[in-house]
Amino acid sequence: DAGVTQSPTHLIKTRGQHVTLRCSPISGHKSVSWYQQVLGQGPQFIFQYYEKEERGRGNFPDRFSARQFPNYSSELNVNALLLGDSALYLCASSLVPYEQYFGPGTRLTVT
Amino acid sequence: DQQVKQNSPSLSVQEGRISILNCDYTNSMFDYFLWYKKYPAEGPTFLISISSIKDKNEDGRFTVFLNKSAKHLSLHIVPSQPGDSAVYFCAAIDSMNPPPGAQKLVFGQGTRLTINP
Repeated sequence: DAGVTQSPTHLIKTRGQHVTLRCSPISGHKSVSWYQQVLGQGPQFIFQYYEKEERGRGNFPDRFSARQFPNYSSELNVNALLLGDSALYLCASSLVPYEQYFGPGTRLTVT
Repeated sequence: DQQVKQNSPSLSVQEGRISILNCDYTNSMFDYFLWYKKYPAEGPTFLISISSIKDKNEDGRFTVFLNKSAKHLSLHIVPSQPGDSAVYFCAAIDSMNPPPGAQKLVFGQGTRLTINP
């Protein structure tokens, strides 16, 4: 069975640009969450979506937004990129509370 | 405000011995706890969890202990194997934090476990 998939694997952007990261959950999972992991730290919660509705939002600026599609895949958008947005962005899906299954992540570098 | 803390950045254990990873939390509303293992270039992998109504949960070589009064949990790995070398994250959830069903995991900083042959 396919696990959580994320694309792209790596991405390099310039300050001020916009980025879109994509995630496909495990088949049958209706909940998708996004996390940001900065080097040396644990993942930080950004958003959670369930049945296409936002269920939770972490302490991130409005430059961060997300959505979930009818097939339960999800996009994370970040506008006006800053150097500090450089991180590993992780997507997780879940079927039962609260065990979330993570994808391999997208490594974003902002220069 | 670090609500979940893993105070040991690294731990080195001999193969076959017990590995004990520790985690402390400050938010008394946390009622579900999880351990994840992370290899380089991979996402975190779920290992084991425990509800606050229990004080121990066991799954093969992995056992998690919860001490609610001390706001402390630990992960025991017995016996330790070379494949256990990874970064281990402790995570917690306040399942009643509105909206109900929100699954915001709060992670610690991680502990790098190295198993020596």
